[in-house]
Amino acid sequence: EAGVTQSPTHLIKTRGQQATLRCSPISGHTSVYWYQQALGLGLQFLLWYDEGEERNRGNFPPRFSGRQFPNYSSELNVNALELEDSALYLCASSRGTGSGNQPQHFGDGTRLSIL
Amino acid sequence: GESVGLHLPTLSVQEGDNSIINCAYSNSASDYFIWYKQESGKGPQFIIDIRSNMDKRQGQRVTVLLNKTVKHLSLQIAATQPGDSAVYFCAERPHRGSNYKLTFGKGTLLTVNP
Repeated sequence: EAGVTQSPTHLIKTRGQQATLRCSPISGHTSVYWYQQALGLGLQFLLWYDEGEERNRGNFPPRFSGRQFPNYSSELNVNALELEDSALYLCASSRGTGSGNQPQHFGDGTRLSIL
Repeated sequence: GESVGLHLPTLSVQEGDNSIINCAYSNSASDYFIWYKQESGKGPQFIIDIRSNMDKRQGQRVTVLLNKTVKHLSLQIAATQPGDSAVYFCAERPHRGSNYKLTFGKGTLLTVNP
């Protein structure tokens, strides 16, 4: 079974630009989660999508947004990039929330560097 | 607020020894717990989970213990190998139906010496 895949692996941008990160969940998973892992910090919850809808978002500004497509893949968009946005962005997927206790399975992330 | 913490930020063990990684959680309403392993340059990898109605669960070379009385979680790794070197995170879910709301600790770095 293929795991969660993310692209690109690395992304270099400058301040003020926009970044788009992509995620394909494990087959059969309908929930996709985005996290930010900045250096020295734990995983900070960003967004949760399920069945194409944004279900919840963490404490991040509106310039962090995303969407989930009919095939359950997802995009994370970050506008007006700032230096502090430099981090590893992790995507995770799980079966739908109606499926009981379901661990989230992670991809290997996109390393976003802002110059 | 909710928090998950780790007693030891770093742990160094000899190859073949058993390792114990500890985690304290603060939300007594948490009903589901997960351990993840993150190797350098990779995303967190699911190791094992446990529901709050259990106090022990075993996997391959790993055992998770849950003590709800003192809100403590531990991960035991038997016969630790160099490939076990990684950062280990525990995560808690504050209540049923909130699978998105996993709270992660900052992690413990496990180093296995050959």
